[in-house]
Amino acid sequence: ETGVTQTPRHLVMGMTNKKSLKCEQHLGHNAMYWYKQSAKKPLELMFVYSLEERVENNSVPSRFSPECPNSSHLFLHLHTLQPEDSALYLCASSQEPESKAAFFGQGTRLTVV
Amino acid sequence: GQNIDQPTEMTATEGAIVQINCTYQTSGFNGLFWYQQHAGEAPTFLSYNVLDGLEEKGRFSSFLSRSKGYSYLLLKELQMKDSASYLCAVKGHRGSYIPTFGRGTSLIVHP
Repeated sequence: ETGVTQTPRHLVMGMTNKKSLKCEQHLGHNAMYWYKQSAKKPLELMFVYSLEERVENNSVPSRFSPECPNSSHLFLHLHTLQPEDSALYLCASSQEPESKAAFFGQGTRLTVV
Repeated sequence: GQNIDQPTEMTATEGAIVQINCTYQTSGFNGLFWYQQHAGEAPTFLSYNVLDGLEEKGRFSSFLSRSKGYSYLLLKELQMKDSASYLCAVKGHRGSYIPTFGRGTSLIVHP
């Protein structure tokens, strides 16, 4: 248990579906992140929120839409995804700028069919 | 840009010592992390180095040389449960706290 909880753990969706991934952190951190992890590739940073403001958007397609309603919650809204978007989506949080580590959730294994 | 390089896969024997190397080329340096990730699980934090030298924590140690852009993770007295992927990550830009990750090294420990 890292203090970062993601739901759902597994998700299968069609290319025309709309779904959302949820992340909640119980650590009192001020920064939250979405990463994408595909087989044989490094963790790819998607979005960063600091104090509920988006500070990084790493050229992610618009079919991924993040939302950070407060410092404890982060969502990733998914719409008209492609099969190549199938991956493990990881949420993380940290306390910046003094943090020496980010803490990760268990991830959502997404399959787009 | 930032480039982080680590071996794709390593194998070792239970009870042995293994060293996983990580080299990086970044514009600025603000700390280096090692994470462990078991299949299907979240990455978990192992170590953080910001100054040159060796940081020891139980069976795991991490070394950093900033002038060489080099780090290694040393695992002693290997156990089967150490089979996992080991991720090297660097905070590269001055003033930026966002880490960039390498591809990870898959370590297989066999009896």
